[in-house]
Amino acid sequence: AQSVTQLGSHVSVSEGALVLLRCNYSSSVPPYLFWYVQYPNQGLQLLLKYTTGATLVKGINGFEAEFKKSETSFHLTKPSAHMSDAAEYFCAVRNSGGSNYKLTFGKGTLLTVNP
Amino acid sequence: ETGVTQSPTHLIKTRGQQVTLRCSSQSGHNTVSWYQQALGQGPQFIFQYYREEENGRGNFPPRFSGLQFPNYSSELNVNALELDDSALYLCASSPQFAGELFFGEGSRLTVL
Repeated sequence: AQSVTQLGSHVSVSEGALVLLRCNYSSSVPPYLFWYVQYPNQGLQLLLKYTTGATLVKGINGFEAEFKKSETSFHLTKPSAHMSDAAEYFCAVRNSGGSNYKLTFGKGTLLTVNP
Repeated sequence: ETGVTQSPTHLIKTRGQQVTLRCSSQSGHNTVSWYQQALGQGPQFIFQYYREEENGRGNFPPRFSGLQFPNYSSELNVNALELDDSALYLCASSPQFAGELFFGEGSRLTVL
């Protein structure tokens, strides 16, 4: 069975500060990993994904994440936070094999950005 | 290109009633997945439809059922509504069953 743990349900940073959102996963097979963002009253938007290849993945809006197999982690970072980054962020995992596209999500981390 | 659209956006039902939620997939996408997102939680997989057949199901009771139509749009039906069914229901389409998911904005269901 797969699972995702997001450490910290709420992270608060100042505008211009580093953003670090933590995600650890559990998977019995090589995983595909994702970060999604959800703005209020909206659906989910894909920020970035890791499938194979380079372990440092760059996404939209200046975000990036690094897949660390030894630590079973996929933390999301952004060097300098903007007010527009305030949203809820979800880490998700799926099997690299299998016949359907079931994503298992973490509980989410709410990011607030202070002026 | 039209994205994933869901209807209705909001609805209120009472316990025991039935509800149907609708989803139009993005053009060219033949796979639709449904997720339930309770307040303060991450989305949970309900089921996926690929070429009009169910292709995987999460841990949801049989009163949650679905359909996919020849144009790849989809419906989620929930019978005998319970208070715990109150949630945001998200539909996502993908170009094939293992492709990237594109989410709609969801249907928010409140059960009183």
